[in-house]
Amino acid sequence: ETGVTQSPTHLIKTRGQQVTLRCSSQSGHNTVSWYQQALGQGPQFIFQYYREEENGRGNFPPRFSGLQFPNYSSELNVNALELDDSALYLCASTFQSAAQRDYEQYFGPGTRLTVT
Amino acid sequence: LAKTTQPISMDSYEGQEVNITCSHNNIATNDYITWYQQFPSQGPRFIIQGYKTKVTNEVASLFIPADRKSSTLSLPRVSLSDTAVYYCLVGERKSYNTDKLIFGTGTRLQVFP
Repeated sequence: ETGVTQSPTHLIKTRGQQVTLRCSSQSGHNTVSWYQQALGQGPQFIFQYYREEENGRGNFPPRFSGLQFPNYSSELNVNALELDDSALYLCASTFQSAAQRDYEQYFGPGTRLTVT
Repeated sequence: LAKTTQPISMDSYEGQEVNITCSHNNIATNDYITWYQQFPSQGPRFIIQGYKTKVTNEVASLFIPADRKSSTLSLPRVSLSDTAVYYCLVGERKSYNTDKLIFGTGTRLQVFP
C-alpha cells in the first residue's frame, strides 16, 4: 500500500448532481494530482495541487474543480454530473520543493463513480 | 509530449521472462521514460524510470537504446501476481513543477500457470 487513501470507495449519483471526492496524501507529501480513468483506458490527468494552489490542469471543463488543504489532503468536486463522468477517480501524491523532487507518484485505490 | 505505442496485450507463463516494448519516436531531449503497473481496482504503481541505457531495480529492468525511440520493460521470471496492465509514459521532469503523467491504454499482461 502507498499510504494514500481515498473516500468513498464507491458512489452512485444521478445526472446533474454534484459530487465531492476526498484524498488523503501519503505522509510528507505536499503535492496531489487527480486522474480520471474510464473503463479500459489509462488514467487521464485532471489537475494538480501544490501548496494549496492549482499547479497544472488537463483537458477537463471548469465543472471539475479541486481544493488542497493545509494538511495536504485534497478534494475533487464535479458539478452538473454527466453520464460520461462515470469512471474511477484516482489521486496521487508526491513531494516536491525548489531543491528536490520525488519523481514517483503514489496512487490511492480510487473512487468508483457511477452516474445514472 | 511524446506519444507512446505499446502492444495491447501479452500472454506469458509462470517462470518466463517477459519483455514489453514501447515506441516513442518523438521523445524529446529532456524526456524520461517511466513504467507503471496497475492491478484491477487499484491505482497505478511506479515500477521503474530511466533516461538512457539500462536501469535495473529489484522488480524489473528497463532497456533504452541509444536513439531512445523505444524502450523495453523486462520482467524476470513472472508469476501469476504479475498479471496486470503495464503503462509506458514519456515526459519531462521539470525542476519545479511535477510533470503530469500521460498514460496511454497500456499493455495487459496475462500470466498463466
